[in-house]
Amino acid sequence: KNEVEQSPQNLTAQEGEFITINCSYSVGISALHWLQQHPGGGIVSLFMLSSGKKKHGRLIATINIQEKHSSLHITASHPRDSAVYICAVESSRLTFGEGTQLTVNP
Amino acid sequence: DGGITQSPKYLFRKEGQNVTLSCEQNLNHDAMYWYRQDPGQGLRLIYYSQIVNDFQKGDIAEGYSVSREKKESFPLTVTSAQKNPTAFYLCASSIRSDYNEQFFGPGTRLTVL
Repeated sequence: KNEVEQSPQNLTAQEGEFITINCSYSVGISALHWLQQHPGGGIVSLFMLSSGKKKHGRLIATINIQEKHSSLHITASHPRDSAVYICAVESSRLTFGEGTQLTVNP
Repeated sequence: DGGITQSPKYLFRKEGQNVTLSCEQNLNHDAMYWYRQDPGQGLRLIYYSQIVNDFQKGDIAEGYSVSREKKESFPLTVTSAQKNPTAFYLCASSIRSDYNEQFFGPGTRLTVL
């Protein structure tokens, strides 16, 4: 079993829909990261959080340390949100999930 | 503009040849990392460097080598000993090794024919 599990692996939505991507992990962590990988391959950091909730524009990330679970929400999704979203947990180093491929259709 | 550059974007090599992937950063970051990405798998750490003239093996270092002679540069050599070198390679850096918000380069897709 991977230390970091994401679900779903693939997600297709219509423009405007509310989207949730989940991340579960099995190890003790100091922080959790959400990353976005564009179709060209480049990766950008969206959030780094160790408790509670963070919001940036239409993106919201939450973490429940006791349940070892985090969610990434996208409100009012748009085709430009189409990307791979990657969860990574931080202990001595970063351990990455396999990613969730999100496609938002117009 | 500050950032990380990797070159080339696409690289083709014949089996048995060594190939070096470039990674340069002008963020004045101490720590640099090399990852490999394969379809259906998370990023896996090949090598990392906490400071100039120092580097450590990651989880999948076999068949790879690195150097860190300058703070800005962390080239990765894929040797002929690497059994399955075809992959997408990503370089990253962070301010220091104990601060794990990493900034990623655009990646190099290596295809070995």
